Amino acid sequence: DSGVTQTPKHLITATGQRVTLRCSPRSGDLSVYWYQQSLDQGLQFLIQYYNGEERAKGNILERFSAQQFPDLHSELNLSSLELGDSALYFCASSPRDAGLYEQFFGPGTRLTVL
Amino acid sequence: GQNIDQPTEMTATEGAIVQINCTYQTSGFNGLFWYQQHAGEAPTFLSYNVLDGLEEKGRFSSFLSRSKGYSYLLLKELQMKDSASYLCAVRAQTGANNLFFGTGTRLTVIP
Repeated sequence: DSGVTQTPKHLITATGQRVTLRCSPRSGDLSVYWYQQSLDQGLQFLIQYYNGEERAKGNILERFSAQQFPDLHSELNLSSLELGDSALYFCASSPRDAGLYEQFFGPGTRLTVL
Repeated sequence: GQNIDQPTEMTATEGAIVQINCTYQTSGFNGLFWYQQHAGEAPTFLSYNVLDGLEEKGRFSSFLSRSKGYSYLLLKELQMKDSASYLCAVRAQTGANNLFFGTGTRLTVIP
């Protein structure tokens, strides 16, 4: 158990819908990262927040958005869902935003878009 | 852009040694990570290299050559539970901690 929690574990929804994935980082970690893992692709970095502020952006679609709240939990919002958005979404956390820190991954949310 | 290459699949025998290679071409470099991921589970951290050379951690070792853009993960005394995907990831930016991952190498350990 990495100490990172994600809810829900599974999510099944229809095309065009909107969902929110939630992540709580390890106690004391200020940085949160979101990754998408599709069957035919590796882990794709989406976005990073550090202490409430956006720190780095990867291949995140405009239909997706995220935020980190004052209590440091983070939410990833996916809207106008398409079949291709079906994937495992992982959240990871680390103590700081830079430096020699490994990232600890949560168990993931499996999103299925029908 | 970032490009990280690993073999897609490998098979090795229980008790043997296996080497998983990773080559990278990234816009910057500030460290290379190896993660293990069992099917449907979260990646877990194995090792980290930022300087050239070998880092040893029990049955696992990782090597880095920055001039060649090359790393490998060495697994010794293979066990059945080592069957998993092994992900090579590069931290490409100084001052930021986000990682760029390769597609991973699926290792199957056979009796």
